[in-house]
Amino acid sequence: AQSVAQPEDQVNVAEGNPLTVKCTYSVSGNPYLFWYVQYPNRGLQFLLKYITGDNLVKGSYGFEAEFNKSQTSFHLKKPSALVSDSALYFCAVRDGYTGRRALTFGSGTRLQVQP
Amino acid sequence: NAGVTQTPKFQVLKTGQSMTLQCAQDMNHEYMSWYRQDPGMGLRLIHYSVGAGITDQGEVPNGYNVSRSTTEDFPLRLLSAAPSQTSVYFCASSYSFRLAGGPDTQYFGPGTRLTVL
Repeated sequence: AQSVAQPEDQVNVAEGNPLTVKCTYSVSGNPYLFWYVQYPNRGLQFLLKYITGDNLVKGSYGFEAEFNKSQTSFHLKKPSALVSDSALYFCAVRDGYTGRRALTFGSGTRLQVQP
Repeated sequence: NAGVTQTPKFQVLKTGQSMTLQCAQDMNHEYMSWYRQDPGMGLRLIHYSVGAGITDQGEVPNGYNVSRSTTEDFPLRLLSAAPSQTSVYFCASSYSFRLAGGPDTQYFGPGTRLTVL
């Protein structure tokens, strides 16, 4: 079975400050990890993914995420937050060992960036 | 290229009514799936399909049926709506199922907000 935990329902950060949104995962095989963002009344948009290779993955809109195998974490980061980054963020995982494409999502973290 | 489209955007049903949520993609993606999004629960997989004529159950399949007669379309049917099915429904698609080690990105539609009274 695979699972994802996003321990924070909401993260508040001031504009210009660095932000971190936390994610931990559990899979039996190799993890394929994803971050998606959802703006109000919109579908999910892909931000970035980790499959293999460098532990630091760069994605859209200046976001990056660091894969840490020993801590089974995949935290989303951005050096300088923008008010427009305010949205709902989802971490997702699938087991790369199996052929099954289904993603398991975390419960989401609402990011609020204050001006 | 419209991507993944879903209709309707909003729907209100009475308990016991049936309806079909439509999903279509024009990217020739083999893999399609339906999720429901409920507050505090993230997205949960209802059904998925790895190609035309092939479907399988996800995490929460009860009360829903699907079929995949073409690559483009993947409708979700509610046979007898219940208030517990009030949710936002997202369709997603991705490609390269048959390529070994192809960890593709799923593309999501805009969603259907369903209320069952």
